[in-house]
Amino acid sequence: AQSVTQLDSQVPVFEEAPVELRCNYSSSVSVYLFWYVQYPNQGLQLLLKYLSGSTLVKGINGFEAEFNKSQTSFHLRKPSVHISDTAEYFCAVSDSGGYQKVTFGTGTKLQVIP
Amino acid sequence: DAGITQSPRYKITETGRQVTLMCHQTWSHSYMFWYRQDLGHGLRLIYYSAAADITDKGEVPDGYVVSRSKTENFPLTLESATRSQTSVYFCASRGGEKLFFGSGTQLSVL
Repeated sequence: AQSVTQLDSQVPVFEEAPVELRCNYSSSVSVYLFWYVQYPNQGLQLLLKYLSGSTLVKGINGFEAEFNKSQTSFHLRKPSVHISDTAEYFCAVSDSGGYQKVTFGTGTKLQVIP
Repeated sequence: DAGITQSPRYKITETGRQVTLMCHQTWSHSYMFWYRQDLGHGLRLIYYSAAADITDKGEVPDGYVVSRSKTENFPLTLESATRSQTSVYFCASRGGEKLFFGSGTQLSVL
């Protein structure tokens, strides 16, 4: 079984400041890791994913995340946030074989303050 | 338009009633999923399907039924709605390693 922990339920940050949203996962097998973003009253959309290879992955809207196997982490970062980044962010994990069922974390609400 | 659509967008029902939430995708993706989103729980998998006529339980299947007679449709039925099933329901399909989500159905059970 796999699980995802997002310790921060809300993260307020001033516009143009950097932000890091934390994600830790647990799994006994090889995994794929994802960050999804949910804007108000919408479904989730993929921000970025780690499947294999380089541990630093870049996504849309200037976000990036680093896979750290020893710390079982996949933290999301952006060097300078914009008002439009206000949304809820979900970290997710799936095993790399079989049905690839995706397990989601509880989400982090990013509030960008003007 | 290509994509994944859910209906209705909003639904209010009473306890004990049967409710069906619809999901339709135009990509012919094999895998489809139903999630519910609740505050403090994130998204939890209710049921998933690997192909037409192949379905399996997820994390929280009790009180729900699914069917998949055609690849493009994956309806979710609440056989006898309870207040604890008040939630936002998301349907998703999988293309490669990426999930594509519908806009959700907000269900209130009174």
